[in-house]
Amino acid sequence: DAGITQSPRHKVTETGTPVTLRCHQTENHRYMYWYRQDPGHGLRLIHYSYGVKDTDKGEVSDGYSVSRSKTEDFLLTLESATSSQTSVYFCAISGVEDGYTFGSGTRLTVV
Amino acid sequence: QQQVKQSPQSLIVQKGGISIINCAYENTAFDYFPWYQQFPGKGPALLIAIRPDVSEKKEGRFTISFNKSAKQFSLHIMDSQPGDSATYFCAASSPGNQFYFGTGTSLTVIP
Repeated sequence: DAGITQSPRHKVTETGTPVTLRCHQTENHRYMYWYRQDPGHGLRLIHYSYGVKDTDKGEVSDGYSVSRSKTEDFLLTLESATSSQTSVYFCAISGVEDGYTFGSGTRLTVV
Repeated sequence: QQQVKQSPQSLIVQKGGISIINCAYENTAFDYFPWYQQFPGKGPALLIAIRPDVSEKKEGRFTISFNKSAKQFSLHIMDSQPGDSATYFCAASSPGNQFYFGTGTSLTVIP
């Protein structure tokens, strides 16, 4: 997963607590995305960014917020974690013509 | 609604056999159709991609067949090997827009 790192790789948190996941890229790509992966649902888009401070919602954005203050960092925040947000979260980056490059994922468990 | 429909959900193939995974779409604005391969604990990685100006693209043992009139595309893995055991996702996108992913196919190649 050259050029894109996610942190943490694993996290267990309690219901109702805020959680922030970080995606960092060194490719200077304009577009960054947050997906969640769940069995039977594949990859579903949560939020995406097309530049610094430019973000938009995906199909499953409820309960999530994002921020992008620098080109290289895209943060995903679960404002008050729920058990339904237990999932594997992937960050992806892309240039104008490229396909996606995915990070290694963050496995989040909400107990 | 699911923008890209993928089948089958799971597939078991004998070593040396042909694995075939199918995807269908409705949006005729889609012009880029990649396939991603994902191993356990890893992020999806681009395997092969096609644009609708060609009907077939081959890279090694992997071939995409594309039927524009039927709005279908498929991944063929020739001479399947145990190392090909992974989850495969098809996707589609239109210019400047997000990717829509299928729900994934879990492939198991039996030695």
